[in-house]
Amino acid sequence: GAGVSQSPSNKVTEKGKDVELRCDPISGHTALYWYRQSLGQGLEFLIYFQGNSAPDKSGLPSDRFSAERTGGSVSTLTIQRTQQEDSAVYLCASSLFQGVGEQYFGPGTRLTVT
Amino acid sequence: GENVEQHPSTLSVQEGDSAVIKCTYSDSASNYFPWYKQELGKGPQLIIDIRSNVGEKKDQRIAVTLNKTAKHFSLHITETQPEDSAVYFCAAESYGKLTFGQGTILTVHP
Repeated sequence: GAGVSQSPSNKVTEKGKDVELRCDPISGHTALYWYRQSLGQGLEFLIYFQGNSAPDKSGLPSDRFSAERTGGSVSTLTIQRTQQEDSAVYLCASSLFQGVGEQYFGPGTRLTVT
Repeated sequence: GENVEQHPSTLSVQEGDSAVIKCTYSDSASNYFPWYKQELGKGPQLIIDIRSNVGEKKDQRIAVTLNKTAKHFSLHITETQPEDSAVYFCAAESYGKLTFGQGTILTVHP
């Protein structure tokens, strides 16, 4: 079946602009996660959703970052007033239920802020 | 919160040799430990995982061991092949959240 998909695959934006990153999870997966991976680094947890609820927003780096999920499916990560330090690969993952292991990742969106 | 340390950061082996990557974790409540392989330009791919109620799990050339007392787990790849070259990440799940190690760049030379 189809895996996790993300769009766009690459995004170049000017400092100060807003960007929206999209994630389509595996059909039937109720939990969805966002991570950030900076060059040569591990994965930094940002936020997760169980259904449309985000019980844990502790990983969001600043109030410029927000995320939403509608219909228990597609999620959007929004970064307002982008800064150069926001440049990274943003990865989305989904699992059948939150806390039940087996997270499956999408290919990521490479964000470059110039 | 959970802290995961992964070693080595780089590992270079000859084709056919074995490769071992080790991770330690801090939260004794962690009960699920996956390993991911990430190739250039792609998202991480789950290759094997282990839960806290077992000590070892094997899948063809890949095996993972877990020592809950010492809070460490390891990935073992036997008979390495050039296509095993990638970045490998360990992770530990605690209270529904995965915390990842910093990654190991594995290079298998033909």
